[in-house]
Amino acid sequence: QKEVEQNSGPLSVPEGAIASLNCTYSDRVSQSFFWYRQYSGKSPELIMSIYSNGDKEDGRFTAQLNKASQYVSLLIRDSQPSDSATYLCAVSRTGNQFYFGTGTSLTVIP
Amino acid sequence: SAVISQKPSRDICQRGTSLTIQCQVDSQVTMMFWYRQQPGQSLTLIATANQGSEATYESGFVIDKFPISRPNLTFSTLTVSNMSPEDSSIYLCSVSGEQFFGPGTRLTVL
Repeated sequence: QKEVEQNSGPLSVPEGAIASLNCTYSDRVSQSFFWYRQYSGKSPELIMSIYSNGDKEDGRFTAQLNKASQYVSLLIRDSQPSDSATYLCAVSRTGNQFYFGTGTSLTVIP
Repeated sequence: SAVISQKPSRDICQRGTSLTIQCQVDSQVTMMFWYRQQPGQSLTLIATANQGSEATYESGFVIDKFPISRPNLTFSTLTVSNMSPEDSSIYLCSVSGEQFFGPGTRLTVL
């Protein structure tokens, strides 16, 4: 079983819609959870980090964490074409060793 | 957030040769990490580099193939030795905390 699993997509949403990205993890003692955005040919860029159950909002982005279900999600409201990228979920037990999912490709259609 | 630079940004190398990738951070950091991202894949941690001690390698990665130096708190190098086409990847360094990434080194082995 992979440490971190994501739907590879591609996920397509129309401009202005909500994009929902999901991630599950296998290690119950994971403490830190992260979402990265990666444009083609670029390195990953940190969007959100979340450490406790519930929702965390930052602008158009909301991260949701449910440790009991071992589930992390990222919602992107009012999606823009510039949000088109691959989104990587990462989890960490210690805060140092990170495990990444394979990423979900998102396309926002104008 | 830390500012991370890498050299070279890209290189094309011949089979059997070695390449050393440099990673420079604009502030002192305890731990530095080296990742590999093979084409179409997610990030895989190669090793963790602490200043003043041997690097810690993840399963599937060995020091003879990927020797790492960490001479001070702002700098590290990763060498890819005796390269084969399977080593063609993007190599990324990151620092402790929320894993901010350098711009990456795109390596092609012919």
